[in-house]
Amino acid sequence: AQSVTQLGSHVSVSEGALVLLRCNYSSSVPPYLFWYVQYPNQGLQLLLKYTTGATLVKGINGFEAEFKKSETSFHLTKPSAHMSDAAEYFCAVSASGGYQKVTFGIGTKLQVIP
Amino acid sequence: GAVVSQHPSWVICKSGTSVKIECRSLDFQATTMFWYRQFPKQSLMLMATSNEGSKATYEQGVEKDKFLINHASLTLSTLTVTSAHPEDSSFYICSAPRTGELFFGEGSRLTVL
Repeated sequence: AQSVTQLGSHVSVSEGALVLLRCNYSSSVPPYLFWYVQYPNQGLQLLLKYTTGATLVKGINGFEAEFKKSETSFHLTKPSAHMSDAAEYFCAVSASGGYQKVTFGIGTKLQVIP
Repeated sequence: GAVVSQHPSWVICKSGTSVKIECRSLDFQATTMFWYRQFPKQSLMLMATSNEGSKATYEQGVEKDKFLINHASLTLSTLTVTSAHPEDSSFYICSAPRTGELFFGEGSRLTVL
C-alpha cells in the first residue's frame, strides 16, 4: 500500500519569500515521487520527479525537492516566490513505478501575496 | 505544447442526458490512458484505465455502466457519462504515459443541471 500526506491545504507566502510545500509518503517498496502543479481549470503539469539516484531533484520554474528516505519526505521548495507560482500543487507517489498506481495527495493551494 | 488534449473543456447538460468527453494523445500513440475525477478541493481519484483494443479496467466503486470508456484507436479514448445526474458534476481529467512521464489533458468540467 502507498499513501501521500500533504501538510497544509493552503499556504500563503509573500512575493520573493521562500516557498516550502510539505509532502510525506508511505510505501512498502522504493518509491517514485512526483510533484505536479495545477492552474485553475487545467490539467496537471509535472514539476519534477524522483526515481533513483540523486536525492535533490531540480524541476521547472525554479522548484526543487529533496528525497529523504529516513524522514519519508519529499518537500518542494523554491527560494523566491513569484506571483505566477500561485496554483495548486500535488505530491504523488508510485510504489511500483507503474502509472496506474500513482496515488495523489490532497493538494496544497499556494497563495502568493504581493 | 500540449501532448494530451481533452474536449470539451466545459460542458453543461440536463439531468438524464449523456455526455461524451474525448482524450487525445497528440503526436504519440497511447495504448493506455487514465481517467480521473476531481471533486472541488480534493485530489485526483483514478476512475479507470483505458486500454486500446480491450475493455477498460475500472477502480473499485466506479460504475462501469455509468462511465463508459472506449479506446478505439491509439490516439483517442472517450469517457461517456450516461444518464448524468447532478452528483456527476465534477472535473474529469485524462492522462497518458509517454517516455517515462504522465501527461495530463486540460480537464473537462461537467455540470449537470
